[in-house]
Amino acid sequence: NAGVTQTPKFRILKIGQSMTLQCTQDMNHNYMYWYRQDPGMGLKLIYYSVGAGITDKGEVPNGYNVSRSTTEDFPLRLELAAPSQTSVYFCASSYGRQVGGTQYFGPGTRLTVL
Amino acid sequence: AQTVTQSQPEMSVQEAETVTLSCTYDTSESDYYLFWYKQPPSRQMILVIRQEAYKQQNATENRFSVNFQKAAKSFSLKISDSQLGDAAMYFCAYRSLIQGAQKLVFGQGTRLTINP
Repeated sequence: NAGVTQTPKFRILKIGQSMTLQCTQDMNHNYMYWYRQDPGMGLKLIYYSVGAGITDKGEVPNGYNVSRSTTEDFPLRLELAAPSQTSVYFCASSYGRQVGGTQYFGPGTRLTVL
Repeated sequence: AQTVTQSQPEMSVQEAETVTLSCTYDTSESDYYLFWYKQPPSRQMILVIRQEAYKQQNATENRFSVNFQKAAKSFSLKISDSQLGDAAMYFCAYRSLIQGAQKLVFGQGTRLTINP
């Protein structure tokens, strides 16, 4: 199993540009998450999904959108990129909250907005 | 809302010695999970150890063990026989079991340095 994979690894955007961060998991997890990690800080939840077609906001959803059309994929869309979105983005997945509870993380995407 | 606090921004230890990283949390819930994650320079988040709140027995994974004090809301990580590969940022995290609270709440992290 590849686990959780993310593309791209690095990206530089100009202010106002848009992009999609890709996330795929092959563990048949029903829950998926997007976090961001600012320098020297822990991770904060952006959006999460409990299954295909179901998404919900986390702590810091402004400026982002998500969709979940399949169990495996959970892309994160940035519209009108701003310098405040410069961060490292992590995708994670897990079974339902009562089963295990452990979230498995992808390798992260480092995004810089100039 | 739950909060997680790691009061040690940095720690260092001599190779082969033992080090303990501190974590406290605040919650009104009785059932939850607690985790320690390791983040090396590669940035990958790696699960170190997990503790279910309903279990009184402290979790152990090889050289890693926890001291879980539920009443004190304390969850420290002990690393025995420290190795150079243990150098990393360590994050303590809390996960609720309440419907709709589907997130990990992270502490600020502790940077661990291993001195050869």
